[in-house]
Amino acid sequence: DTGVSQDPRHKITKRGQNVTFRCDPISEHNRLYWYRQTLGQGPEFLTYFQNEAQLEKSRLLSDRFSAERPKGSFSTLEIQRTEQGDSAMYLCASSSQGDGTEAFFGQGTRLTVV
Amino acid sequence: GDSVTQMEGPVTLSEEAFLTINCTYTATGYPSLFWYVQYPGEGLQLLLKATKADDKGSNKGFEATYRKETTSFHLEKGSVQVSDSAVYFCALRMNTNAGKSTFGDGTTLTVKP
Repeated sequence: DTGVSQDPRHKITKRGQNVTFRCDPISEHNRLYWYRQTLGQGPEFLTYFQNEAQLEKSRLLSDRFSAERPKGSFSTLEIQRTEQGDSAMYLCASSSQGDGTEAFFGQGTRLTVV
Repeated sequence: GDSVTQMEGPVTLSEEAFLTINCTYTATGYPSLFWYVQYPGEGLQLLLKATKADDKGSNKGFEATYRKETTSFHLEKGSVQVSDSAVYFCALRMNTNAGKSTFGDGTTLTVKP
């Protein structure tokens, strides 16, 4: 198992453009999470999937953000009409269910909106 | 809501010095507690964890003990190395709340030779 992988690692886009990020979790993990991390802060929860069902969304996730996890495998996070404030590191994590299990993080996608 | 408060950084130490990074938490329930480390240019890696009160997590010479009475999970290492230079994040995870993690803001450690 190669761990959680994210693509792309870096994305520079112009304000107003749409971007899409992909996350491939660890294959046997049924839980998948998206977080956002800005400079000098810890990751902040955005949304959570259990299998293909999106079960929770943070208030940080505006209407311009949408996430999917078709077939309960990989996930995509799309940001429409990007704004400069969307510039951040977007982290994906996956875990199995059960008490005390840890989340495994990917290396993130760094988004810069210019 | 749940929250994690970490000692503010940055922390600069000489090689072989003793390290403590303080972490306290607020949670409605009994979380699992974690320390993650982020090396420059890399993703978050789990350093150690503890799942119940009085548990001690340890890895690579780092230790942290889950103290329910003080709601703390301080990270310690007896003798730091230059290679320990990184950002350290304390986090909690509630098993009853979709398992999402709540993180502190991170503490940057720089170890000088």
